[in-house]
Formats: sequence, structure tokens, C-alpha cells
Amino acid sequence: NAGVTQTPKFRVLKTGQSMTLLCAQDMNHEYMYWYRQDPGMGLRLIHYSVGEGTTAKGEVPDGYNVSRLKKQNFLLGLESAAPSQTSVYFCASSYSGTVNTEAFFGQGTRLTVV
Amino acid sequence: RKEVEQDPGPFNVPEGATVAFNCTYSNSASQSFFWYRQDCRKEPKLLMSVYSSGNEDGRFTAQLNRASQYISLLIRDSKLSDSATYLCVVTIGSSNTGKLIFGQGTTLQVKP
Repeated sequence: NAGVTQTPKFRVLKTGQSMTLLCAQDMNHEYMYWYRQDPGMGLRLIHYSVGEGTTAKGEVPDGYNVSRLKKQNFLLGLESAAPSQTSVYFCASSYSGTVNTEAFFGQGTRLTVV
Repeated sequence: RKEVEQDPGPFNVPEGATVAFNCTYSNSASQSFFWYRQDCRKEPKLLMSVYSSGNEDGRFTAQLNRASQYISLLIRDSKLSDSATYLCVVTIGSSNTGKLIFGQGTTLQVKP
């Protein structure tokens, strides 16, 4: 039972490079989320999706784009990486966004931008 | 003002102690409430949901006060294995636009 899988787990980028983080879930969940976690800041919502083909901005969307072409996948893109995007990125999914439904997280992607 | 606020701690307590964490949220339209646990360098995992009537799971008790917009978590008889960061989580929005918002977390260290 894979749950939520993130790839890659680690990455070092040079400033200005682009990359895509992949999140895949096998629980048929409608909702998917991308968060970043920085020391002392907790988890901050970047973008989220309430279903296939839909995306919405979270608290800190600038510098990121997302796509949800398939229900099971949620991609996070960095078009031109900046050192400020050095962080741990977590993807999560849930059956719905409310009514006490549990969110399941991937193991995280540790991204360093130099 | 952050939508969900927690005292980051750390809370350093001896084994067997009772410890309580509070969390406040700013959006009165918040619908669902949770406590998640995060171990060092790991992903968050659900500890318990928080219901209006309060709920208990073993040594853990969660309370919700909608009027004052705060949530609490009480841990009784602390164990070394309880050492972790505890994240307060609130769902904001309607049933088809809801999003999970996290507090910054409260760090608990249980000492022998």
C-alpha cells in the first residue's frame, strides 16, 4: 500500500534551473495539496486541488505552478529556481477537504537551490 | 496575523507529566480541526480529529472552543516516545473548496 509517493526525495538545483516535483496517490482521493516547510514557519500551503483538472492558490504560490491532469497525480513546477525556494516540500491528499477527513502525506522532497 | 497560531515551545517535561498545548485560529468559518504529529525529518501524521464535544484517545484529549476560536491538546502521563512536534490544523472553506491550514507546530521534549 503505497499511499502518497513523492519523487524525487532529494534534489540540488542551481539558481535559474527548472524542475518538477511529482506527487502520486493511489487512494482515489479528490483533494491534493503541496506544502513547503521551513524552520520556524510550519507548513505553508503553496497550491491545492479539489479534483482532476482544478487547481487553486494557497498562502505562498509565487514562483510555483501546478497541474492536476490526472486524479492520482499532482505536479509542482519551479520554472526558475531561487535560493528562497530551498525547503522541504510535502505533498498530501485527502478524500475531501472538510468533514474531519484525514490528510495523508508523502515523505517529503528536500530541495536545495544554490 | 497567521490563520492558525501555536506557541512553538519547546515544552520540556519529565516522563509522567501532563502537558497541554493550545492553538488559536482566526477564521470563524473554519469547519474541521485536527492535531497532527510530526517526528524529526518525517512527514506529518494524523494524531486525532477534534470534535465540538471534545474527544479522548487514550492519554490524549482534544477540546474545541468555537466561541473563543481555540483548540487544545492534553497529553497525560507523558512518554519519551511522545517527543515530537504537534501541529494544529484547521480546514477553511466550504465542502468543495476547503483547504488545510497548519500552525507552525509546538515542540515537545519528554525527558527521562
